[in-house]
Amino acid sequence: TQLLEQSPQFLSIQEGENLTVYCNSSSVFSSLQWYRQEPGEGPVLLVTVVTGGEVKKLKRLTFQFGDARKDSSLHITAAQPGDTGLYLCAGDPSNTGKLIFGQGTTLQVKP
Amino acid sequence: ETGVTQTPRHLVMGMTNKKSLKCEQHLGHNAMYWYKQSAKKPLELMFVYSLEERVENNSVPSRFSPECPNSSHLFLHLHTLQPEDSALYLCASSQDAHRGAYEQYFGPGTRLTVT
Repeated sequence: TQLLEQSPQFLSIQEGENLTVYCNSSSVFSSLQWYRQEPGEGPVLLVTVVTGGEVKKLKRLTFQFGDARKDSSLHITAAQPGDTGLYLCAGDPSNTGKLIFGQGTTLQVKP
Repeated sequence: ETGVTQTPRHLVMGMTNKKSLKCEQHLGHNAMYWYKQSAKKPLELMFVYSLEERVENNSVPSRFSPECPNSSHLFLHLHTLQPEDSALYLCASSQDAHRGAYEQYFGPGTRLTVT
């Protein structure tokens, strides 16, 4: 059973388009994190959302935590080729410090 | 050196070989982790160390043997691996092993191929 489901798994878009990536669970999380992983590198944290309903913005990236703290979304406005990578959501369902990860969304932005 | 470093970056080994992966963190963190990243599967937590003590072994086969001699260094000793163990092995560190909200800093990984 996958605790964190990400969708879509793959996304290929043209530069300038908008997109949204979803991270869903039936479990409640005290916080969720979003990471981006580029080829040949490890994941890098983009944001941590901790409050139900919270919205955080990071330049062209907007992150939202669901009111019930079971889901999150990442919206990218006017995507650029530099946004290409694997986007991972992660959370600690048991509050023991052990993160579980979604299977990731591979984003390709074509120039 | 800054952040989290891993060596080697690539490793090809036969099923009868013994090799070790090395991880070093320069962030003054207290917790270190080994993860396995396989194609089309989520990142899998393997081991967690907090202040050099192993606090989690996520049902990992005994052919993987971790070692944490101090809070800055972490090793993963490999022996008699199987082809399905081929994957990207990622090391990470964080300030505290018991708080999942803390950011985890990842190394670049070791791409392991078992032949």
